[in-house]
Amino acid sequence: TQLLEQSPQFLSIQEGENLTVYCNSSSVFSSLQWYRQEPGEGPVLLVTVVTGGEVKKLKRLTFQFGDARKDSSLHITAAQPGDTGLYLCAGGRGTASKLTFGTGTRLQVTL
Amino acid sequence: EAQVTQNPRYLITVTGKKLTVTCSQNMNHEYMSWYRQDPGLGLRQIYYSMNVEVTDKGDVPEGYKVSRKEKRNFPLILESPSPNQTSLYFCASRPSTGAGTGYTFGSGTRLTVV
Repeated sequence: TQLLEQSPQFLSIQEGENLTVYCNSSSVFSSLQWYRQEPGEGPVLLVTVVTGGEVKKLKRLTFQFGDARKDSSLHITAAQPGDTGLYLCAGGRGTASKLTFGTGTRLQVTL
Repeated sequence: EAQVTQNPRYLITVTGKKLTVTCSQNMNHEYMSWYRQDPGLGLRQIYYSMNVEVTDKGDVPEGYKVSRKEKRNFPLILESPSPNQTSLYFCASRPSTGAGTGYTFGSGTRLTVV
């Protein structure tokens, strides 16, 4: 059973457009992380959110944790080709030694 | 450079031939974990370890073994590989402090079992 559902699965947009990726669950998590993975490499951590309602910004990326800590979103403003990659959300419980990953959103940004 | 190192990067083997994928981290992290990544299924946790000699099953442990005799190393053992274990494998580590601290991943091992 996949506990974290991401949408959309695929997204192809042009440079300069805005986009939002969603990560939803019926379970409560103590922390929610977002990773980006490029071909041939392992995922790289972008951000961690731990408080319900928390919003974090990383340059053009805005991350939000839902009030009930069951969902999260990633918003990218003015996407660039360098944003291309697989975006993964991951939920942790307790010490978060055990992370549950979403299925991922594959983003392609073209010129 | 702080990193997680996996070896080999690519491996083709035959059904039933025991193999070990090594993982080493140089960051003195307590937590280490193995994941497999399959199309449409995402990253699924195989085993994790919270410290030396402390390991626990993840979501898909069948057919795998691990050991944590030293803090820096966390090898993944396939005693009798089968074709359904063909996958992309990642080792990862993180410190024990802070539930929100993310994992550092290795570059992956692509395993094919024929």
